[in-house]
Amino acid sequence: EPEVTQTPSHQVTQMGQEVILRCVPISNHLYFYWYRQILGQKVEFLVSFYNNEISEKSEIFDDQFSVERPDGSNFTLKIRSTKLEDSAMYFCARKRDTGRLFFGEGSRLTVL
Amino acid sequence: SQQGEEDPQALSIQEGENATMNCSYKTSINNLQWYRQNSGRGLVHLILIRSNEREKHSGRLRVTLDTSKKSSSLLITASRAADTASYFCATDITMDTGRRALTFGSGTRLQVQP
Repeated sequence: EPEVTQTPSHQVTQMGQEVILRCVPISNHLYFYWYRQILGQKVEFLVSFYNNEISEKSEIFDDQFSVERPDGSNFTLKIRSTKLEDSAMYFCARKRDTGRLFFGEGSRLTVL
Repeated sequence: SQQGEEDPQALSIQEGENATMNCSYKTSINNLQWYRQNSGRGLVHLILIRSNEREKHSGRLRVTLDTSKKSSSLLITASRAADTASYFCATDITMDTGRRALTFGSGTRLQVQP
């Protein structure tokens, strides 16, 4: 059983459109991460979210990105106005006390 | 400069052979972790080695850590076709803010030929 579930598994959107990617934890955890992976490239840190606040964010996570926990359970990553270079796999992960991350299966975003 | 860079970038071996992947990093770490990723799937945690540990085993996996050289290696013994995947090292570091972050390398693509 996955630790986190991500939806959608694949989204195709037009450049300039808003996209919302969702992460649903199996249980109520406080510490989440978003990473992205451009096809065939490294896994890049975007943002960490602890107790309903952004904990850390990378230089990639600019004003076009935002994260929320709108209902205290689901965890969303929003891209306000997508660019071609936003095409990537986006992974949500939760952290265990041991420091290990448990990743979802990812959401593939294709920007046309 | 990048934290956690693996080499080789790609490795092709025959089933039954051992596969060794290396990871180098630049800053002090709390721990180092190895993950596996099947094509198009999420990353799966394999093993964690703390900064005060030198070697760790888990099944057919053996991880070493040399903090003086800022390097780690992942050895997969008696490889199987099902081991075909990308393998990433990830360094758990403490940032200037005092918070911790997990930074991934670019990965090694392992192909095990049956």
